[in-house]
Amino acid sequence: GAGVSQSPSNKVTEKGKDVELRCDPISGHTALYWYRQSLGQGLEFLIYFQGNSAPDKSGLPSDRFSAERTGGSVSTLTIQRTQQEDSAVYLCASSYGARDTQYFGPGTRLTVL
Amino acid sequence: GQQVMQIPQYQHVQEGEDFTTYCNSSTTLSNIQWYKQRPGGHPVFLIQLVKSGEVKKQKRLTFQFGEAKKNSSLHITATQTTDVGTYFCAVWMDSSYKLIFGSGTRLLVRP
Repeated sequence: GAGVSQSPSNKVTEKGKDVELRCDPISGHTALYWYRQSLGQGLEFLIYFQGNSAPDKSGLPSDRFSAERTGGSVSTLTIQRTQQEDSAVYLCASSYGARDTQYFGPGTRLTVL
Repeated sequence: GQQVMQIPQYQHVQEGEDFTTYCNSSTTLSNIQWYKQRPGGHPVFLIQLVKSGEVKKQKRLTFQFGEAKKNSSLHITATQTTDVGTYFCAVWMDSSYKLIFGSGTRLLVRP
């Protein structure tokens, strides 16, 4: 594809439900990042993938958050037992290699009622 | 941990006026990046600076990295309505693949 794509673009869920957010990076990009952006705030690093492995998971806020990447391509961020404070825009970015220019997707806006 | 403070939080200018946002750190930075995020959009990479005292220009945008590599600035000359958005600085944490973002400066331009 031409750029990073994310789905869904919007997700409204009830507190306590699980959600899955998907990221399709630019073809050939080995590095993939997830960030969270609360309303009017900066970006908060969540996790970094190099290929299928996640050398840095230090940004995940709690054990309710997990992520995986398969085939060195698509990544899924899963939030279990969602809480209202999880409401935010979740952004995915990919880069050719680690520390190369990051290209961001349009984000998934998550609203937890 | 490594942090960058960005000021001002918000600036409202008349079209044609200049605009500057600053990013400051208490520790020496190995690099700094700048991003622009339009309202409702996603961050878009603008530039990366790595050398002490480095100055780079992109049309009306001028980026500077301080001599001590503890601060950086983005200056826009003669703002236009298309410059509206939030400008973020970001730094790679040393020995890490974690990119730390500043809190951003939101620019509004009155036509």
